[in-house]
Amino acid sequence: KQEVTQIPAALSVPEGENLVLNCSFTDSAIYNLQWFRQDPGKGLTSLLLIQSSQREQTSGRLNASLDKSSGRSTLYIAASQPGDSATYLCAVRPFPNFGNEKLTFGTGTRLTIIP
Amino acid sequence: NAGVTQTPKFRVLKTGQSMTLLCAQDMNHEYMYWYRQDPGMGLRLIHYSVGEGTTAKGEVPDGYNVSRLKKQNFLLGLESAAPSQTSVYFCASSGSGRASETQYFGPGTRLLVL
Repeated sequence: KQEVTQIPAALSVPEGENLVLNCSFTDSAIYNLQWFRQDPGKGLTSLLLIQSSQREQTSGRLNASLDKSSGRSTLYIAASQPGDSATYLCAVRPFPNFGNEKLTFGTGTRLTIIP
Repeated sequence: NAGVTQTPKFRVLKTGQSMTLLCAQDMNHEYMYWYRQDPGMGLRLIHYSVGEGTTAKGEVPDGYNVSRLKKQNFLLGLESAAPSQTSVYFCASSGSGRASETQYFGPGTRLLVL
């Protein structure tokens, strides 16, 4: 059974710092990995999706990397801003099989950027 | 274009009561999902649907039923609510095939069972 872990559960950093969020998964046979952002009381918004054949994806100040063989992904946030404060979740997806679109989520890292 | 909407936003139930959560999407998506989110456990899939008239069990289906009578709607029912079903429920939808890679989430329904 796939298990996804995100450590630490919470992180506080001063504004302007670069930071890294971690995600690890137990079964390396994944199709892709996604990073989501969740604001308090809101749903999830997809930030980046990395296919299993890719090593990284970038969007603005965000860069996500994937090392499938070691079961790890990182989300790098450059020049952090107070608006980046949110909970960040990663989720992995197995290879497509009819009807099997299940994502396995980590428990998230709650990020606070201190002004 | 509202995306994925959920009704209601918040509800309090007594043990044994029943209720239905409604999810609606206006993106013509084939796939729809119901998740629950609990502290320290991440999101877990309850049921999902790969098309109108189809449903399938996810990771934690017990105590819930679903129906997909119309493509744009996915209903989650609790026949006899239990305190263990206190949670935040999220609905999501996606296209099929490669388009199923990205799921779009609703804002959630917060349910408290006393």
